[in-house]
Amino acid sequence: DIQMTQSPSSLSASVGDRVTITCRASQSINNYLNWYQQKSGKAPKLLLYVASTLQSGVPSRFSGSGFGTDFTLTISSLQPEDSATYYCQQSYSTPYTFGQGTNLEIK
Amino acid sequence: QITLKESGPTLVKPTQTLTLTCTFSGFSLRSTGVGVGWIRQPPGKALEWLALIYWDDDKRYRPSLKSRLTIIKDTSNNQVVLTMTNMDPVDTATYYCAHTHTGGYYFDYWGQGTLVTVSS
Repeated sequence: DIQMTQSPSSLSASVGDRVTITCRASQSINNYLNWYQQKSGKAPKLLLYVASTLQSGVPSRFSGSGFGTDFTLTISSLQPEDSATYYCQQSYSTPYTFGQGTNLEIK
Repeated sequence: QITLKESGPTLVKPTQTLTLTCTFSGFSLRSTGVGVGWIRQPPGKALEWLALIYWDDDKRYRPSLKSRLTIIKDTSNNQVVLTMTNMDPVDTATYYCAHTHTGGYYFDYWGQGTLVTVSS
């Protein structure tokens, strides 16, 4: 199985901050990397796919980059509604695997 | 628009078989490239992919659970059914179904999830 490792596991930031979450794959996954946002008690929501493509309706303050094994999710200007847990997921090969999640708290 | 909804028991006993149904609308599992997957999330833990089925009946399973899982599609009724045998308390989780397609294999639409508790 391809292991996905996210860092940090949690972070706290202020409104307006630039926030970066990283995700590392245990082997190359090309650009088959997706990011999800999950708010408490809700289903995950797709934010970005194939590393950098913004899902329809997702605010442009979210962006993604990377290829191979190292990827980043960036929120350019943090908003209160961004408080959530963020997961990366590789869709390069089954079994599809998710990172352990990054819990983002707004100060 | 695309919607999915999971249904099934909220409580099962250890060793029993769990049967979950995903009823969807807004797409067809007859359409080339379309798939439906199942993902679960134990309370307070990360997401875990379980299985998926594609329009052409291609099926994929999580290897560690493959002996316990079966996924089938009912195209006429727009449903996907997941069965998991020999349930154990560690299988307690919220189970989600989600839409995917071979254009990128990401899960772009999710059901609301259903919490299944395994307890005697």
